[in-house]
Amino acid sequence: AQKVTQAQTEISVVEKEDVTLDCVYETRDTTYYLFWYKQPPSGELVFLIRRNSFDEQNEISGRYSWNFQKSTSSFNFTITASQVVDSAVYFCALTPNTGGFKTIFGAGTRLFVKA
Amino acid sequence: KAGVTQTPRYLIKTRGQQVTLSCSPISGHRSVSWYQQTPGQGLQFLFEYFSETQRNKGNFPGRFSGRQFSNSRSEMNVSTLELGDSALYLCASSTTLGRSYNEQFFGPGTRLTVL
Repeated sequence: AQKVTQAQTEISVVEKEDVTLDCVYETRDTTYYLFWYKQPPSGELVFLIRRNSFDEQNEISGRYSWNFQKSTSSFNFTITASQVVDSAVYFCALTPNTGGFKTIFGAGTRLFVKA
Repeated sequence: KAGVTQTPRYLIKTRGQQVTLSCSPISGHRSVSWYQQTPGQGLQFLFEYFSETQRNKGNFPGRFSGRQFSNSRSEMNVSTLELGDSALYLCASSTTLGRSYNEQFFGPGTRLTVL
């Protein structure tokens, strides 16, 4: 079975704090893709990052960084020096390599960044 | 490049009616996926179309159907509406290169309310 678990329902931090959003996935496929999306209050999902199962390199993009560990089936997302504009719901997603998209989303983590 | 557009943005229907939602993908994108987002169930995959063929289907009843036209535009239809069908319906488009899954670009969604 394919599953994505985001155990943190809501996180509240004060601006400039670092915050890590956890994502644990389950799949029997050896080839798969992992994604993070951001859903701001406006509602439109915005792509943040894609990782395929063969690429375990961590990635940093500005204040965002991602840690992919196949051994623990985790794909965690860290925001460094959070800002109020980071307030949103963040979704982790899994697309198995089954021929076409059949993306499974986690339940999402709502992040509140207070000024 | 124009983003994914969805029409209408808001819709109010009554139980038993049917509804058709429309999605225009980003130019050049041949994969179009539909998702249902509700507070209780989160983001759930409905189906994906690629080159006018349904390539993947989620676990929704047959009342939910879709199609894709030769210009990649897609429609989804829900017949015999139930109260539980009230949700935000999101459309996403993507390019796929062989077995590589690129990110999906999401539209703003259609908010369906069933009374």
